[in-house]
Amino acid sequence: DAGVIQSPRHEVTEMGQEVTLRCKPISGHNSLFWYRQTMMRGLELLIYFNNNVPIDDSGMPEDRFSAKMPNASFSTLKIQPSEPRDSAVYFCASRPGTSGIQSSYNEQFFGPGTRLTVL
Amino acid sequence: QQQVKQSPQSLIVQKGGISIINCAYENTAFDYFPWYQQFPGKGPALLIAIRPDVSEKKEGRFTISFNKSAKQFSLHIMDSQPGDSATYFCAGGTSYGKLTFGQGTILTVHP
Repeated sequence: DAGVIQSPRHEVTEMGQEVTLRCKPISGHNSLFWYRQTMMRGLELLIYFNNNVPIDDSGMPEDRFSAKMPNASFSTLKIQPSEPRDSAVYFCASRPGTSGIQSSYNEQFFGPGTRLTVL
Repeated sequence: QQQVKQSPQSLIVQKGGISIINCAYENTAFDYFPWYQQFPGKGPALLIAIRPDVSEKKEGRFTISFNKSAKQFSLHIMDSQPGDSATYFCAGGTSYGKLTFGQGTILTVHP
C-alpha cells in the first residue's frame, strides 16, 4: 500500500496567487482530514470528510480556504488568494471505519505533507 | 479554546533514561487518547493509544498512564534511545475520529 499521497511536496508561490493542494487517501478509507502545522499553532484540524461529505469545517481559517472531495480517492484544499501567513505544512490524513462510537478508535494515517511558502 | 494542554514543550534525556510527557484535556466527550510520533520531514504516525476505561496501556518501551478523574494522561518512554528523538503529540478523539492535538513535545535523547 502506498499510503496517503500528497502533492506537491513543496510549493512556493507569491501572495495573491491561488494554491491547490492534493490528496489521495488510502484505498478503502472513508474519512479524510486536512491539517495545518505551524510552530506557533501546532497541528490544527481544518476540515474533515466522512464518505466524501464535509462533516466539520469549523477549523477553516477564513473564506479564502476551501476543500472538496469529489470522490473517495481524491481531495483538494484550495487557498485563494494566498497570503504569507498561510505558510505552513499541510497534512492530509485518512482513516478506515464507519461512523459511530467504535470508529473513533481507528488510527489516522498521515501523508508526508505539503510545505507551502507564500512570499 | 485549547482543549488539550501538553507539557513540556521540549525534553532532553540521556540514553537509557525515562522520558515523560504529560497531557491534560478539558472535553469530557473525548473517548480515545492517542499519542503520535513525528520525525522531521514526515507526517505524524500513531505510536500508542488508550481508551478511557483503561488506566494503563503498555507496548514495548512505551506506556500510557490515564487518570480519568483528573482528566490527565501521560506517555512514558522507558530506556530512551537516540532513535526516539522526535516530536510527540497527544490528542483527544471523538466520534468520526476527529482528533484535537496538544502542542507537541520535542524529545531529544543524547547518546
